[in-house]
Amino acid sequence: QKEVEQNSGPLSVPEGAIASLNCTYSDRGSQSFFWYRQYSGKSPELIMSIYSNGDKEDGRFTAQLNKASQYVSLLIRDSQPSDSATYLCAVGGSGAGSYQLTFGKGTKLSVIP
Amino acid sequence: EAGVAQSPRYKIIEKRQSVAFWCNPISGHATLYWYQQILGQGPKLLIQFQNNGVVDDSQLPKDRFSAERLKGVDSTLKIQPAKLEDSAVYLCASSFANYGYTFGSGTRLTVV
Repeated sequence: QKEVEQNSGPLSVPEGAIASLNCTYSDRGSQSFFWYRQYSGKSPELIMSIYSNGDKEDGRFTAQLNKASQYVSLLIRDSQPSDSATYLCAVGGSGAGSYQLTFGKGTKLSVIP
Repeated sequence: EAGVAQSPRYKIIEKRQSVAFWCNPISGHATLYWYQQILGQGPKLLIQFQNNGVVDDSQLPKDRFSAERLKGVDSTLKIQPAKLEDSAVYLCASSFANYGYTFGSGTRLTVV
């Protein structure tokens, strides 16, 4: 049974600070990793994908992947109140053509003005 | 491009009744998924289709849930009979290759 673990939070950060969200996964063969943002009452929205070890930056968002430690993180710089949401970590399968994602329970982020 | 379409948005039914949800994926996306998201939890996979074939339905409660994807496009998820614990948001998603999913707006089901 593949598992994806996240701290449920809530994580509270002041406006302008860096928010750090963490995720660990159990399937060592996983090849793809995603972060989704989910506002209350809305469906998840893809914000970052990462496939190789290291960092990937997109605007204020940076995803970090360490396959040896089976660890994925998302940094949000200059956090804004509009970033307040639940962030879901999702991990892809290990087989060829296996695009199925396993999701964590999500971390609720609150950015305090 | 048009997104993933789902209907209805909301549904309230009594336990033991039946209900059906509809999904139309993004054009060209061969893979379609149905997920169940209970309040406060992450989405849990119910079934995965590749074109009109089932790839994985290992977590689908087959005694009450069924799903089909005719002609490899639209899909329908049915629950019969519904239980109180089926109250959740039912999310449909589609994907192209390994680039992540696009989710529809979801159907919020309340079983009373």
